[in-house]
Amino acid sequence: QVQLVESGGGVVQPGSSLRLSCAASGFSFSTYAMHWVRRAPDKGLECVSLISSDEKDIYYADSVKGRFTISRDKSKNTLYLEMNSLRVDDTAVYYCARDQKGSIDYWGQGVLVAVSS
Amino acid sequence: DVVMTQSPLSLPVTLGQPASISCRSSQGFVHSDGNTYLNWFQQRPGQSPRRLIYKVSNRDSGVPDRFSGSGSGTDFTLKISRVEAEDVGIYYCMQGAQWPWTFGQGTKVEIK
Repeated sequence: QVQLVESGGGVVQPGSSLRLSCAASGFSFSTYAMHWVRRAPDKGLECVSLISSDEKDIYYADSVKGRFTISRDKSKNTLYLEMNSLRVDDTAVYYCARDQKGSIDYWGQGVLVAVSS
Repeated sequence: DVVMTQSPLSLPVTLGQPASISCRSSQGFVHSDGNTYLNWFQQRPGQSPRRLIYKVSNRDSGVPDRFSGSGSGTDFTLKISRVEAEDVGIYYCMQGAQWPWTFGQGTKVEIK
């Protein structure tokens, strides 16, 4: 079955960096676009970034553009999110999710990123 | 960006009674391939989101048939024909036609 397992979260200070990982299994990782979606405390869901299966198309939310970098390693079936210059308002649960054209069909369990001084 | 607006934001319901959630978009978002990528997700307390409906009205495998989606253009609806205790949670609509994909604010369904 499809499994997405995030890791790498934690508590960091503003201005810090963090790298999230998402280990994918149970499907052909190299053939699917992948997302990072976050949910801030007491707020709704926000699409943070999207990477196509061939890595040619990459998108970012305006709120993270220039600070976050999405990437994938097909040999390791792993999705990454490199987060730099973290701000307090980046505090959220970050979900790795599988794309199904125009939709998201599977979600990971989420990983907490807390940015606090 | 396409702004998705849900109403109500809080929905207390009686077990066994119907419930309806509205989702309106600030503009139409028909994809160039002709599809309307309007999705509905359920997030139960302490869990990850789960997709219920895709492309307006297609129910995911394993989703009870008491859930149904409808709508077109800028106006969409999720209906629960008879609310059960396991339906408690937050429901989100999401458009997946134009980047950034955008979610509604969420509707919290609780039992009266």
